[in-house]
Amino acid sequence: GQQLNQSPQSMFIQEGEDVSMNCTSSSIFNTWLWYKQDPGEGPVLLIALYKAGELTSNGRLTAQFGITRKDSFLNISASIPSDVGIYFCAGQLGGAQKLVFGQGTRLTINP
Amino acid sequence: DAGVTQSPTHLIKTRGQHVTLRCSPISGHKSVSWYQQVLGQGPQFIFQYYEKEERGRGNFPDRFSARQFPNYSSELNVNALLLGDSALYLCASSLEPSWGYTFGSGTRLTVV
Repeated sequence: GQQLNQSPQSMFIQEGEDVSMNCTSSSIFNTWLWYKQDPGEGPVLLIALYKAGELTSNGRLTAQFGITRKDSFLNISASIPSDVGIYFCAGQLGGAQKLVFGQGTRLTINP
Repeated sequence: DAGVTQSPTHLIKTRGQHVTLRCSPISGHKSVSWYQQVLGQGPQFIFQYYEKEERGRGNFPDRFSARQFPNYSSELNVNALLLGDSALYLCASSLEPSWGYTFGSGTRLTVV
């Protein structure tokens, strides 16, 4: 089945550093989504991208929909302790509404 | 406003048993989807329902079934439980299938 390759699998950074993670696919998606999941909770939507080449920001978060529609990246600027968690990318095909998730990037921040 | 609510939050079952998980969508949301999240992995799509009809099914065996009720709540049923069915089961709702989904906190199922 479809799979998204998300990297890195884990990151250990200092508070205040910028973070970058990305997601690639062998298939085209019409929508890219980035979620954050805290322990014991469901994924929470951070950013949604609907158009190839689109660059969207949400506070300190910035995400881009790759031109080829097969990749996306998420940047977090000036990381803070509450950014700790697992970040998932997800792709969605037009006409088929299921979400295909990556394996996640676990972010750990040292104060 | 209440978000997506799932019950129970935790469940322990024995191999071979049957389990029913429940989901109440956000008020006004007509589409419900179910995902299975095994520890250390991203969620995997199981089912999508819209207006009480199945709109999509993931690559899961027939032991998995679901339904949506007139009030748009939903149940996920799993028969003949296997150890590998241990996972976090997530429910997500949206106004319509093509709109953004909001996830519940999930039901943690442990099969022993």
